Amino acid sequence: GQQLNQSPQSMFIQEGEDVSMNCTSSSIFNTWLWYKQDPGEGPVLLIALYKAGELTSNGRLTAQFGITRKDSFLNISASIPSDVGIYFCAGHPQGAQKLVFGQGTRLTINP
Amino acid sequence: DGGITQSPKYLFRKEGQNVTLSCEQNLNHDAMYWYRQDPGQGLRLIYYSQIVNDFQKGDIAEGYSVSREKKESFPLTVTSAQKNPTAFYLCASSLPEGGRGYNEQFFGPGTRLTVL
Repeated sequence: GQQLNQSPQSMFIQEGEDVSMNCTSSSIFNTWLWYKQDPGEGPVLLIALYKAGELTSNGRLTAQFGITRKDSFLNISASIPSDVGIYFCAGHPQGAQKLVFGQGTRLTINP
Repeated sequence: DGGITQSPKYLFRKEGQNVTLSCEQNLNHDAMYWYRQDPGQGLRLIYYSQIVNDFQKGDIAEGYSVSREKKESFPLTVTSAQKNPTAFYLCASSLPEGGRGYNEQFFGPGTRLTVL
């Protein structure tokens, strides 16, 4: 089935650093979503993007819907310990009914 | 408060037994979903339902069954036919298809099933 390539798979950073991760697809997507999952919990929706080129912020988080509609980026500025977790991208492929999820980026922060 | 509840949080079963996982939502969402998550993996769709009394197979439906008798409830049964049932199971819901919010799925806290 349809797959999303999410990178990097894991990140080890110092508190206060900025973080960037991305998601790419070989086909066009109509929607991009970014979720965060804490250990043993369900994913929480962070940002939803619906238009190519759209740039949306949620506090220290900023996400963009790529112009080609085949990628999306998530940036976290000035990371803090509670940012630790797994970040998933998800997208709604053009012409498809179901959401497709990336494999996740595991973020670890050293205080 | 509106949200999605899943129970129990942890479930242990013997091999060969069927087990039913509960999912309830009071968000008034029409669409509901079941996903499976294995360690270090993304989410894989098991079943989904866009309306009461109707549901469709996802990518990994074999060995699972669902029902949708009420809008707010979408229980998942893991049958003995599922060869590797130990996993983290997540339920989600969203607005009806066609609306802008349809793609924004909201997740429950999950149930971790361990088959001994």
